[in-house]
Amino acid sequence: LAKTTQPISMDSYEGQEVNITCSHNNIATNDYITWYQQFPSQGPRFIIQGYKTKVTNEVASLFIPADRKSSTLSLPRVSLSDTAVYYCLVSPTGTASKLTFGTGTRLQVTL
Amino acid sequence: GAVVSQHPSRVICKSGTSVKIECRSLDFQATTMFWYRQFPKQSLMLMATSNEGSKATYEQGVEKDKFLINHASLTLSTLTVTSAHPEDSSFYICSLRDRGWEQYFGPGTRLTVT
Repeated sequence: LAKTTQPISMDSYEGQEVNITCSHNNIATNDYITWYQQFPSQGPRFIIQGYKTKVTNEVASLFIPADRKSSTLSLPRVSLSDTAVYYCLVSPTGTASKLTFGTGTRLQVTL
Repeated sequence: GAVVSQHPSRVICKSGTSVKIECRSLDFQATTMFWYRQFPKQSLMLMATSNEGSKATYEQGVEKDKFLINHASLTLSTLTVTSAHPEDSSFYICSLRDRGWEQYFGPGTRLTVT
């Protein structure tokens, strides 16, 4: 399984755009990149997933360069409620494909 | 997407007793479910893959005789922590993947062993 590396923590002010970059140098051809958000004492929640280039949904954007060795999660105009841990994972699709979590990035948003 | 529930949400037990945690898929028949453990301020660690109708697959370092997993139906997987000790106190989370690519997580179970 591809290993991921993320910053341990980040701080931001409310209303700013936050970009969290994840490194996954050993990503395989059939791996997808998925980001999850976790609040304290809750299970992780899916944010966004992509394979290449750019993906955007109602809460975030995901930028993936051509070599796919890294990816950047972009959160526009964060609010206090975005304070959480964000995990970047790479894995193939499939119901039996397990996920290996890295350290995650602890985002702290303040006023 | 799939909805996953866990029961109980939190449990306190005495050292030496066993505790069963249930993970239910409410709207999807899951042949595979996953169990994770998370200690405070740490990441999720995969413990085992639960397979319906067959034995679970445990990750390296996880004692299969201590963490008993049963996946008797397509909507229910159980994790039993046998002879629990204080060091087993943790946040246990189950998940499943539906036919797509998204993995759905349960709300977690907080186990405290006194």
